[in-house]
Amino acid sequence: ELKVEQNPLFLSMQEGKNYTIYCNYSTTSDRLYWYRQDPGKSLESLFVLLSNGAVKQEGRLMASLDTKARLSTLHITAAVHDLSATYFCAIRGDTGNQFYFGTGTSLTVIP
Amino acid sequence: ETGVTQSPTHLIKTRGQQVTLRCSSQSGHNTVSWYQQALGQGPQFIFQYYREEENGRGNFPPRFSGLQFPNYSSELNVNALELDDSALYLCASSALRESDETQYFGPGTRLLVL
Repeated sequence: ELKVEQNPLFLSMQEGKNYTIYCNYSTTSDRLYWYRQDPGKSLESLFVLLSNGAVKQEGRLMASLDTKARLSTLHITAAVHDLSATYFCAIRGDTGNQFYFGTGTSLTVIP
Repeated sequence: ETGVTQSPTHLIKTRGQQVTLRCSSQSGHNTVSWYQQALGQGPQFIFQYYREEENGRGNFPPRFSGLQFPNYSSELNVNALELDDSALYLCASSALRESDETQYFGPGTRLLVL
């Protein structure tokens, strides 16, 4: 059974601190996505990672991909309150066009 | 450039009824994917349409069906509604064959089945 697992599921962190969200997946995939979702809202695309060792950064967020370990990380640097949201990773399965989302990580940044 | 739009925004139906949800893709995009997101969970992939043909399907029963039109807009139809169909339905458009195929999501349709 294909699984995309994120940890932690819930994360409460203080402003100014650093933390990492992990995304593990159980099948090969040629791309990994990170999304942000605010409460009651739709999903916003953050990153698309296409190859082993890929690293992308936008502001205080940096995503990386290790296809051999089937692991992606989303690193948060010096968190600010505006980063409070739920973060999802997703992969495209290797058997046709199917997309699988992780369980989500609910991040709360405390002033 | 207009973004992805969906209609209606909210919908209430009763069990056994049928529903049609609509999605207009972002300009220049030829692919639409549909997702179901239950409360507190991640989106579940329903299917994808590319150039009016189904191009991939998740683990959903046949009562979930779709269409894509020549202008690349799309419909999701759900027959014989069940209580568990209550969810946020999201569509996402992308330009298949682009290197990263970033998916741009619409605001969603919130469906409640009573």
